[in-house]
Amino acid sequence: EAGVTQSPTHLIKTRGQQATLRCSPISGHTSVYWYQQALGLGLQFLLWYDEGEERNRGNFPPRFSGRQFPNYSSELNVNALELEDSALYLCASSLEWDNEQFFGPGTRLTVL
Amino acid sequence: QKEVEQNSGPLSVPEGAIASLNCTYSDRVSQSFFWYRQYSGKSPELIMSIYSNGDKEDGRFTAQLNKASQYVSLLIRDSQPSDSATYLCAVKASSASKIIFGSGTRLSIRP
Repeated sequence: EAGVTQSPTHLIKTRGQQATLRCSPISGHTSVYWYQQALGLGLQFLLWYDEGEERNRGNFPPRFSGRQFPNYSSELNVNALELEDSALYLCASSLEWDNEQFFGPGTRLTVL
Repeated sequence: QKEVEQNSGPLSVPEGAIASLNCTYSDRVSQSFFWYRQYSGKSPELIMSIYSNGDKEDGRFTAQLNKASQYVSLLIRDSQPSDSATYLCAVKASSASKIIFGSGTRLSIRP
């Protein structure tokens, strides 16, 4: 069974640009979660999508947004990039309402 | 008070010994508890999930849950150098709520 996949692996942007990160969940999983992990810091919850709808949102500004497509893949968009947005962005998926989340390899975003 | 608290470490344990990792949480209604392992530069990997009071064993790993004390722990028996990683405790109140992660305990197994 293929795991969660994310693209790109690395992304380099300059301040003020927009970044788009993509995630494909494990087959059969309908929930997708996004987390930010800055260097040396813990996992910060960003967004949770299930069945195409946003179910929960972390304490992040509106320039962090996303969506979930009919095939359950998801996209995270970060507008007006700031230097402090540099981090590892992790996507996880789970079965509908199931508790266990499985993580993808992450996208490392660097903002210069 | 943080919602999920862990000692940041590093916790240094000799090879072959038992490593004990601890976690406390603040939400009394929490129902689901997880331990993840994260190697440096990699993504978290689910090791154990536990939902009921008591012990749950899987190979060299044992998760212990005490809801009355709002405490969950992970024991690693016969510690190996490959167990050196950061261990994240995660807590979920209900199916409809998000998972809250602790900041992790860095474990180092010395040969």
